[in-house]
Amino acid sequence: EDQVTQSPEALRLQEGESSSLNCSYTVSGLRGLFWYRQDPGKGPEFLFTLYSAGEEKEKERLKATLTKKESFLHITAPKPEDSATYLCAVQVAFGGYALNFGKGTSLLVTP
Amino acid sequence: DAGVIQSPRHEVTEMGQEVTLRCKPISGHDYLFWYRQTMMRGLELLIYFNNNVPIDDSGMPEDRFSAKMPNASFSTLKIQPSEPRDSAVYFCASSPGTREKLFFGSGTQLSVL
Repeated sequence: EDQVTQSPEALRLQEGESSSLNCSYTVSGLRGLFWYRQDPGKGPEFLFTLYSAGEEKEKERLKATLTKKESFLHITAPKPEDSATYLCAVQVAFGGYALNFGKGTSLLVTP
Repeated sequence: DAGVIQSPRHEVTEMGQEVTLRCKPISGHDYLFWYRQTMMRGLELLIYFNNNVPIDDSGMPEDRFSAKMPNASFSTLKIQPSEPRDSAVYFCASSPGTREKLFFGSGTQLSVL
């Protein structure tokens, strides 16, 4: 069965304190791995797509990396406005085109 | 573009009543997805459409749930009869292609009393 597990469930950081969020996946074949950000009361907002092991993508203070078993979302020198829930999702090669989501990591960055 | 538009934003109903959630996808997007989000289970796929045709409805919990897409610009998710355990946030999302990202609406917060 395809599984996506995110850790930690919740993370509290001081402003400027860098850290990483983890997304482990077990799928029959990976077509793509997606990272989304979700603010309270809103729908998920797209951040990155990674397609193959070794791939990296960056956007402002965020950097996503991918291996054959997991992905990391690195947050460098976070600011309070980075506080949100970060969701990881996989698109499986032989499972249609929907995304299978993890439960997310709730990030709080305090001043 | 206004993005994916969902209505209503909030719905409070009593057990046994029929509930209809509505979604307008982004123009030109061929794929439309319905997801449900709860604290316990996270985001779960209910059903998705390609060119208005249902492709995978294996996530629909039971026969009380039904979804339609009569044209490329409109979809509905209906629950009849509703139950308290259906309380959740229901999201609609659309995508332009098979390996493309999903664009989500703001969701409908459903409370069944």
